[in-house]
Amino acid sequence: NAGVTQTPKFRVLKTGQSMTLLCAQDMNHEYMYWYRQDPGMGLRLIHYSVGEGTTAKGEVPDGYNVSRLKKQNFLLGLESAAPSQTSVYFCASSNSFAGEQYFGPGTRLTVT
Amino acid sequence: KQEVTQIPAALSVPEGENLVLNCSFTDSAIYNLQWFRQDPGKGLTSLLLIQSSQREQTSGRLNASLDKSSGRSTLYIAASQPGDSATYLCAVNSNSGYALNFGKGTSLLVTP
Repeated sequence: NAGVTQTPKFRVLKTGQSMTLLCAQDMNHEYMYWYRQDPGMGLRLIHYSVGEGTTAKGEVPDGYNVSRLKKQNFLLGLESAAPSQTSVYFCASSNSFAGEQYFGPGTRLTVT
Repeated sequence: KQEVTQIPAALSVPEGENLVLNCSFTDSAIYNLQWFRQDPGKGLTSLLLIQSSQREQTSGRLNASLDKSSGRSTLYIAASQPGDSATYLCAVNSNSGYALNFGKGTSLLVTP
């Protein structure tokens, strides 16, 4: 099993550009999450999904959109990137409510 | 809002020492607490999950305890090795049960 995978691993964007981060999991988990990790701030939840076709806002959702069209995939979109969105983005999944979360390797995004 | 604090922020020990990492949280109404390891530039690896009804969990040289009423958890690492060098993150699952609230981590260096 690959677990949780994320693509791309690195990306540099100019302000105003858009992009989509892909998260995939092969554990048949219902719940999926997007976090961002910033120095001195710890990890913070952006959006999450409790099943295929559902999404919900987390702590810091502004500037991001998400979609969960397939159970195994969770997409995070930036419509108009801003320098404040420079961060490391982690996807995670769990098989139950308040279940153990398993994390992907992360995507390092720089917005100039 | 749940606040998670980890002390110390950094720790350096010689190989072979036993050590304790501390985590405290402000709201005792939690579902569970999870300890992670993060290597530089890498994702998070789940080490131990303690349910709110449990007092401790063990995995190999790691032992995590939970005192929910006082809002504290400790991660005990026995006979430390240089390969244990990493950042250790504590995260609590509370409120909605979806978001993990993370501490800022303890950076551990084990010297040969």
